[in-house]
Amino acid sequence: AQSVTQPDIHITVSEGASLELRCNYSYGATPYLFWYVQSPGQGLQLLLKYFSGDTLVQGIKGFEAEFKRSQSSFNLRKPSVHWSDAAEYFCAVGARPGTSGTYKYIFGTGTRLKVLA
Amino acid sequence: ETGVTQTPRHLVMGMTNKKSLKCEQHLGHNAMYWYKQSAKKPLELMFVYSLEERVENNSVPSRFSPECPNSSHLFLHLHTLQPEDSALYLCASSQASYDYRYEQYFGPGTRLTVT
Repeated sequence: AQSVTQPDIHITVSEGASLELRCNYSYGATPYLFWYVQSPGQGLQLLLKYFSGDTLVQGIKGFEAEFKRSQSSFNLRKPSVHWSDAAEYFCAVGARPGTSGTYKYIFGTGTRLKVLA
Repeated sequence: ETGVTQTPRHLVMGMTNKKSLKCEQHLGHNAMYWYKQSAKKPLELMFVYSLEERVENNSVPSRFSPECPNSSHLFLHLHTLQPEDSALYLCASSQASYDYRYEQYFGPGTRLTVT
């Protein structure tokens, strides 16, 4: 069955430090991969997405993510974190429906980022 | 208004009340979704609508009743809820429900508390 794992529930970094948030997926073929961010009291906003081509994708707010097929990973990175990046980050996988036609758009459990001044 | 809007933003209701959550998208999308977001749990997809037709109902209890009168509006009617239904309810839309290349656009959510 398709699944998405974000191993880190909480991450704390200092402002200006680099950031990497991990995402691993389980799926038989190449899925469509997304990273979303949720600021307090807000809905989710798309940061970036991947489904083919260059395995390093650029997103908004200075974020990037790299798809590694051999590791089934799609980790999110930012070279220098700003205090406004404090939020919860969700990895998501879009998968083709099975024979039943069941919709599959699976979110990970999220990683909460805290930024120290 | 732009994007996806939800009203009310906060709702407190008793277990015997009936209330409705409203979602409106101004993006011209064909698909709309209801999600439940509870603390320490993954986002739970509740319902999917494509061109006003319900295409997915993920074993949601009947005390939650969705309605999609047109492709821009989505409602979630609530009645005889339980305290464990307290959560953030998120509405989302996308261009198509079965094309996973398209990202979902989310509203800010309705924070529901059942007393």
